[in-house]
Amino acid sequence: QVQLQESGPGLVKPSETLSLTCTVSDDSVSSGLYYWSWIRQAPGKGLEYIGYIYYTGGTKYNPSLKSRVTISADTSKNQFSLKLTSVTVADTAVYYCARGAVGANCFDPWGQGTLVTVSS
Amino acid sequence: QSVLTQPPSVSAAPGQKVIISCSGSNSNVGNNYVSWYQQLPGTAPKLLIYENNKRPSGIPDRFSGSKSGTSATLGITGLQSGDEADYYCGTWDYSLSSGAFGGGTKLTVL
Repeated sequence: QVQLQESGPGLVKPSETLSLTCTVSDDSVSSGLYYWSWIRQAPGKGLEYIGYIYYTGGTKYNPSLKSRVTISADTSKNQFSLKLTSVTVADTAVYYCARGAVGANCFDPWGQGTLVTVSS
Repeated sequence: QSVLTQPPSVSAAPGQKVIISCSGSNSNVGNNYVSWYQQLPGTAPKLLIYENNKRPSGIPDRFSGSKSGTSATLGITGLQSGDEADYYCGTWDYSLSSGAFGGGTKLTVL
């Protein structure tokens, strides 16, 4: 079955860049059936959509984060990545990667999530 | 401030039925498929309903979804203690050109 696994530093200093990678098993980031997506959840809060990358390399980002976000993919490693620049304490959250179904507007499966804390 | 509006909490007794609402607009719920997710404490969200009313393999038929106009609902029958979780609706928003989620609803089984 398809599995996604996030990896990256759990602690980032304010003003620096948050970088996370999602490794995909039993599916391909080159598949045209899915959007490879990032979603986050601040402690005690709801879900916030960050953006996605499609197999063409095309991307879409949440307008509220667009100026600071880059999502990219490495097809040779079957991974996709998130970079968020100029982080503040407000970016402290559990970051999830998820597979989004084209047309269906749904995410399945999700990675287990990784907590990133922004603190000096 | 979430794009989609859900009640913060709902509660019902074991065995009873509960309905969770998700209200949006024509730029999101009104013109896109809605999905629902269950998030048990300390875990990642799990897809419960997709394309408004379809259940993925393995999801019991106690869970159902519907949509009318700019609102969607998730219904859960035969409530069990294991259903205590946060539930989120989600869809695409054409105006924002972005995915959107509701603020989440905490279900308590009394």
